[in-house]
Amino acid sequence: DVKVTQSSRYLVKRTGEKVFLECVQDMDHENMFWYRQDPGLGLRLIYFSYDVKMKEKGDIPEGYSVSREKKERFSLILESASTNQTSMYLCASRLQGPREKLFFGSGTQLSVL
Amino acid sequence: AQSVSQHNHHVILSEAASLELGCNYSYGGTVNLFWYVQYPGQHLQLLLKYFSGDPLVKGIKGFEAEFIKSKFSFNLRKPSVQWSDTAEYFCAVNAQNSGGYQKVTFGIGTKLQVIP
Repeated sequence: DVKVTQSSRYLVKRTGEKVFLECVQDMDHENMFWYRQDPGLGLRLIYFSYDVKMKEKGDIPEGYSVSREKKERFSLILESASTNQTSMYLCASRLQGPREKLFFGSGTQLSVL
Repeated sequence: AQSVSQHNHHVILSEAASLELGCNYSYGGTVNLFWYVQYPGQHLQLLLKYFSGDPLVKGIKGFEAEFIKSKFSFNLRKPSVQWSDTAEYFCAVNAQNSGGYQKVTFGIGTKLQVIP
């Protein structure tokens, strides 16, 4: 089965720090996504990517950027972390076609103090 | 812009009760529709999906969903729930954004608690 690996399960950072969240998938998928999951707000799309060096803004891109230098790796960057970015961050990789579905990583719980 | 609404945020049922979770989406074009489930401590996983054809789709663990185009709805159902169905359920829509790229949008989720 597809494996989506997020580099950290728990992360604690200070306000103003630059934060990198890494995600790697092992199935050569073109499409990758970053969501944040908050109680009562569900999953909200931050950014997605359709190919190497290609990125599209999702619904809440403010305060975030992304990098896709290699097909298997999609990184989420918090340029200057703020307390309202404390959240569970989920990376997903998309299998396209008739068997379409998203494969999710286990998530990174980020706390910004 | 596409959006997904889930009407029930927290549902509590006794075992063997019937389940229906509402989902409505907002988008004028062709969509693919999904229900994902997140069991406690586990990853999100696909429950079922609709692309085209028969509007009644069946998924894993006895779940089914009906696509009603005129109502922009994709409600999830199960005739008889079990304690092991306790989880959070997310409706999702895959549709093209203004740039022509398909993006996947989720609802806020419904927490289902099944009491033995």
